[in-house]
Amino acid sequence: NAGVTQTPKFQVLKTGQSMTLQCAQDMNHEYMSWYRQDPGMGLRLIHYSVGAGITDQGEVPNGYNVSRSTTEDFPLRLLSAAPSQTSVYFCASSSGLAGTGTGELFFGEGSRLTVL
Amino acid sequence: AQSVAQPEDQVNVAEGNPLTVKCTYSVSGNPYLFWYVQYPNRGLQFLLKYITGDNLVKGSYGFEAEFNKSQTSFHLKKPSALVSDSALYFCAVRDSSSASKIIFGSGTRLSIRP
Repeated sequence: NAGVTQTPKFQVLKTGQSMTLQCAQDMNHEYMSWYRQDPGMGLRLIHYSVGAGITDQGEVPNGYNVSRSTTEDFPLRLLSAAPSQTSVYFCASSSGLAGTGTGELFFGEGSRLTVL
Repeated sequence: AQSVAQPEDQVNVAEGNPLTVKCTYSVSGNPYLFWYVQYPNRGLQFLLKYITGDNLVKGSYGFEAEFNKSQTSFHLKKPSALVSDSALYFCAVRDSSSASKIIFGSGTRLSIRP
């Protein structure tokens, strides 16, 4: 199984450009989420989804949009990139986090984004 | 709102010695607690979780964690450290009474010297 697949692995953007980070999972997980990892800050939750058609904001949602049209895919969109969005982004999914579930997260390998 | 704190940025231990990585949490309902490990340039991997029941939870690679409700702590432990345990460790919490959010701590870098 591929698990959670993120693309691209590396990306350099100029301030104001837009882009989409792709995330796909082949485990039929209901729950998907996006985190950003910054030195000294740990992982911070950007957006999450408990199923197709349902999304919600995490700790740091400003500047990011998401949609969940299928169970498998959960893209993260940066509409106008800023240097403060330079970070490593992780997508994660779980079979047991929707509702009152207690399942663990499965992470992708990460996407390193630099905004100049 | 839920939160989690890892008070140590780095923990240094000699190989063969016991190790502890500290974690404290704050939730309004019952906590669901997790530990994850991250190796260089990789995503996070699940180690163990506490949901309910026995306060001592055993996980992967010989790690265990002790849930202490009165101290709101969930420290990660291992009786005998290996050099290969060197990595970045994250504690995470979900509040059972709130939405499906998993909140992570800032991480602790564990360094095991031979």
